[in-house]
Amino acid sequence: GAVVSQHPSRVICKSGTSVKIECRSLDFQATTMFWYRQFPKKSLMLMATSNEGSKATYEQGVEKDKFLINHASLTLSTLTVTSAHPEDSSFYICSARGPGQATNEKLFFGSGTQLSVL
Amino acid sequence: QKEVEQNSGPLSVPEGAIASLNCTYSDRGSQSFFWYRQYSGKSPELIMSIYSNGDKEDGRFTAQLNKASQYVSLLIRDSQPSDSATYLCAVKGPNAGKSTFGDGTTLTVKP
Repeated sequence: GAVVSQHPSRVICKSGTSVKIECRSLDFQATTMFWYRQFPKKSLMLMATSNEGSKATYEQGVEKDKFLINHASLTLSTLTVTSAHPEDSSFYICSARGPGQATNEKLFFGSGTQLSVL
Repeated sequence: QKEVEQNSGPLSVPEGAIASLNCTYSDRGSQSFFWYRQYSGKSPELIMSIYSNGDKEDGRFTAQLNKASQYVSLLIRDSQPSDSATYLCAVKGPNAGKSTFGDGTTLTVKP
């Protein structure tokens, strides 16, 4: 159990376009999901906490209007990078807390999305 | 001071040796501690969790926690080349909604 699927795994887009990344919990309900950004050889940088049915909580310095997060159901959260620019190129990863009391502090990660903006 | 600190490495050990990865944290109220492994170009995967002082063993992995010293470590026995990866330490407080990650230690196990 506790499988998190992230799609797409890789996307190349032109500058100025928007890109949507999906994160799904396949076999459990995830009321909370997290979105991270990771640069090469660097650690995870938390961008925002996505809560089902409410607005996302963004970390300091992360532009809400640039990185739109929607968590409309208990199994799906989406991150939309709006008007992407080359500096938005990065590895984006989502995670969800595991189901049940025994695992709900553990994080299960999606496979990540490598975004390249030309 | 970073909330969670790890030696960036790289740490290199020969195959079959014990690899020791260390992590310190600043929030004394932290109660949950995790080790994640991340292969290059992949996303992290949970390998160990520990909540109370002492050792916790799972196969070749042993997590050690010392809350008084605010220190958590991961030992990998009989290291294999397939253990070569970056290991991320994560810490969560009792009321925190999120885990805080260290920058990771890169481990290389040489055949």
